[in-house]
Amino acid sequence: DIVMTQSPRSLSVTPGEPASITCRSSQSLVHSFEYSFLNWYVQKPGQSPQLLIYLGSNRATGVPDRFSGSGSDTDFTLKISRVQAEDVGFYYCMQGLQTRYSFGQGTKLEIK
Amino acid sequence: EVQLVESGGGLVQPGGSLRLSCAASGFNVSDNYINWVRQTPGRGLEWVSVIYSGGDTYFSDSVKGRFTISRDNSKNTVFLHMRSLRPEDTAIYYCARRMKTTISGVIIIPGIDAWGQGTPVTVSS
Repeated sequence: DIVMTQSPRSLSVTPGEPASITCRSSQSLVHSFEYSFLNWYVQKPGQSPQLLIYLGSNRATGVPDRFSGSGSDTDFTLKISRVQAEDVGFYYCMQGLQTRYSFGQGTKLEIK
Repeated sequence: EVQLVESGGGLVQPGGSLRLSCAASGFNVSDNYINWVRQTPGRGLEWVSVIYSGGDTYFSDSVKGRFTISRDNSKNTVFLHMRSLRPEDTAIYYCARRMKTTISGVIIIPGIDAWGQGTPVTVSS
């Protein structure tokens, strides 16, 4: 099974400042179409996870453009250009390459 | 609007059984891949099972042989049948749909795009 490792485990950010989360997979997530099967989710307090980014860099419908995903192969990054108060929650990466999906441990984003 | 609504969670004794339901609306479960994912404070998000549109089913090693997954197309509902439950099965259980997207005319399924609100399962004596 693919192991997903996120860092940092938590970060505290001033509103308007950028934030960055990294995710590393234990094996390449590149599919035959040369897309990486890496997704990012946010779980806001009291809610289910929501899709932010799929295939490494594609924003899901309705996701603000301050969120961006980058990376390929085994190393990926989620960036928030200007953090807002509504962005608090846990952020997870997930590999969708294998049938048995696996998730990173999560990163808790707090607002200073 | 795509919606997934879980039900059936509750308190059960170790060794007991439980059936979770996932009622879908806004799409057909028969045309999609539907997963169960569970979440605990200690282990985070853990994929549990999936049923493919063609009927194939897969399970994590931690539940294989104890859980089964099925669907009722007429009710547009997917079920997770859990037996021989253990305290470590205690979690919030989410059903979730695998997304489909098209690249160069080919349908690919890169991840999950919709989640239910979750149903809690507690295994304790």
